Amino acid sequence: AQSVTQLGSHVSVSEGALVLLRCNYSSSVPPYLFWYVQYPNQGLQLLLKYTSAATLVKGINGFEAEFKKSETSFHLTKPSAHMSDAAEYFCAVMIQGGSEKLVFGKGMKLTVNP
Amino acid sequence: ETGVTQTPRHLVMGMTNKKSLKCEQHLGHNAMYWYKQSAKKPLELMFVYSLEERVENNSVPSRFSPECPNSSHLFLHLHTLQPEDSALYLCASSQGGGYGYTFGSGTRLTVV
Repeated sequence: AQSVTQLGSHVSVSEGALVLLRCNYSSSVPPYLFWYVQYPNQGLQLLLKYTSAATLVKGINGFEAEFKKSETSFHLTKPSAHMSDAAEYFCAVMIQGGSEKLVFGKGMKLTVNP
Repeated sequence: ETGVTQTPRHLVMGMTNKKSLKCEQHLGHNAMYWYKQSAKKPLELMFVYSLEERVENNSVPSRFSPECPNSSHLFLHLHTLQPEDSALYLCASSQGGGYGYTFGSGTRLTVV
């Protein structure tokens, strides 16, 4: 079965520091992978997606992610954290076949310290 | 109005009440979804409606009843809920083709 794993639940970085949020996937077929962000009291917003084109994917707000098949990973990075990046981040894999169904990881809460 | 709109944003209901959550999408998408988001738990897919299929998560209790009268509207009917049903209920839509979902802002449900 296709799934994603986000280890840990909370990451804290200083403003201006590198942001690295880890996601590992499990899939028997080439996966479609997604990162979503959720700000307090809001729904989820798509940051970026990998759909078997370029392995380095650039998204909104300066985030990017690299698909590494050898490591079954799709980690999210941003070179310099901003206070406005504080939110919860979810990795997801798309279940193939029929209508699209996304299976989400548990999420990672990012805190940015001044 | 564009995007995915959910109403109400907040709902407090007693365990004997009947209420409905509404979701509307103006994106021309052909599939709609209900997710449950509880504290410290992964997002749980409850129901899927699309041209191809209606999918129900067999672990969802029968006190939750979905309705999809057309491709733009989705309802979640609630009756005799339990306190553990308190959560954020998210609606989403998709157009297929691997583009992912567009989410609404959710309904924060509290069962007292």
